[in-house]
Amino acid sequence: QSVLTQPPSASGTPGQRVTISCSGGSSNIKFNTLNWYQQLPGAAPKLLVHGVSQRPSGAPDRFSGSISGTSASLAISGLRSEDEAYYYCAAWDDSLSGWVFGGGTKVTVL
Amino acid sequence: QMQLVQSGAEVKKTGSSVRLSCKASGDTFTYRYLHWVRQAPGQALEWMGWITPFNGNTNYARSLQARVTITGDRSMTTVYLDLSTLRSEDTGMYFCATTSGEHQLLYPDQQQPLDCWGQGTLVTVSS
Repeated sequence: QSVLTQPPSASGTPGQRVTISCSGGSSNIKFNTLNWYQQLPGAAPKLLVHGVSQRPSGAPDRFSGSISGTSASLAISGLRSEDEAYYYCAAWDDSLSGWVFGGGTKVTVL
Repeated sequence: QMQLVQSGAEVKKTGSSVRLSCKASGDTFTYRYLHWVRQAPGQALEWMGWITPFNGNTNYARSLQARVTITGDRSMTTVYLDLSTLRSEDTGMYFCATTSGEHQLLYPDQQQPLDCWGQGTLVTVSS
């Protein structure tokens, strides 16, 4: 069972906005260490958002992150077929001195 | 630009051990933390532990602490993961991951986001 809680699935039609939540505790969900990864089938995870809302170079700007208390969210605006993938949140946990991951959310483009 | 290349697939018997490697090309690990993350078939990512190759410091996930060892070579280009007393639940894909350094100024070294991943090594454990 994952430390961070994500919904198992989310879906939308092309062009729609989809939001994925990630909830944790005070030792892990923090403003500066919450990251989101995209994992396509058979591939390694790819960093999509870091520090809650920062996009690394090359990440599309239709992906955006936010946080409220101990719950974070990833929004995908203007959903595209290539966005169909698993999305994982990850946070640094001070008590473990390591990363904790969410259970993953499968995004389906209808 | 750093790339991570992992060793090939392994098939092991229950109760045996496995050693996986992760080699850096294009740069050395220097200040970087090298993490291992695994993923059972159809399951979520699970953080296993990290090493700082330059001084050999390590930290492991509590659930694996008794069975996992992460080491690095003196050249700081290759890191190894040893997992002992293998069980069927250890079957899955194992990834090594580190930071590219792009965000070095934003986070402590330990908490750099993992934006450089190996291709993964499939480990299959059966009786």
